Amino acid sequence: AQTVTQSQPEMSVQEAETVTLSCTYDTSESNYYLFWYKQPPSRQMILVIRQEAYKQQNATENRFSVNFQKAAKSFSLKISDSQLGDTAMYFCAFTGAGTYKYIFGTGTRLKVLA
Amino acid sequence: NAGVMQNPRHLVRRRGQEARLRCSPMKGHSHVYWYRQLPEEGLKFMVYLQKENIIDESGMPKERFSAEFPKEGPSILRIQQVVRGDSAAYFCASSRRDRGADTQYFGPGTRLTVL
Repeated sequence: AQTVTQSQPEMSVQEAETVTLSCTYDTSESNYYLFWYKQPPSRQMILVIRQEAYKQQNATENRFSVNFQKAAKSFSLKISDSQLGDTAMYFCAFTGAGTYKYIFGTGTRLKVLA
Repeated sequence: NAGVMQNPRHLVRRRGQEARLRCSPMKGHSHVYWYRQLPEEGLKFMVYLQKENIIDESGMPKERFSAEFPKEGPSILRIQQVVRGDSAAYFCASSRRDRGADTQYFGPGTRLTVL
């Protein structure tokens, strides 16, 4: 069975600094997709970044980047120049290339401090 | 360029009543997925539908829960005779196709509270 583990229930970071959120996953599939979603207090699920497992290059979206280590089954999210608006729950998610079910981790609550 | 729409955003029901949650997918998307988020947990898959078809309902409780996606109109998740344990946030997502290559886009969710 595929699983996604986020081992940091809560984190905090000072505004303008950098923070890294961890995610590990377990799968026997060779082709799959990984995602980070942000859930602010409004509870809307917002796609932050997506990574295809067959791409060796780490995905980046402005201040957000990932460190994808396929052999280690690790998919961490780095937020640079943290802003107050980054305060949210962050969920890591996995789906196989041939399926549609997303498997979510339990989330990391990030608080950006002024 | 409207995203996935869900209504109502908040729904309060007493035990034993029925809850109806609606989801309109993004334009051009014909695949709809429902997920449930219990407090302090991640989202869990419930059901996958295409127009007029339930493709996979393996994550949905066998009793009291049903889902549909009619030819016209939004997808509906219906919970009959609600109990306190049904209190959760219910998210709908849609995609253009049904494979991992197509990102699922989520609606704002419906928060159901059962008194």
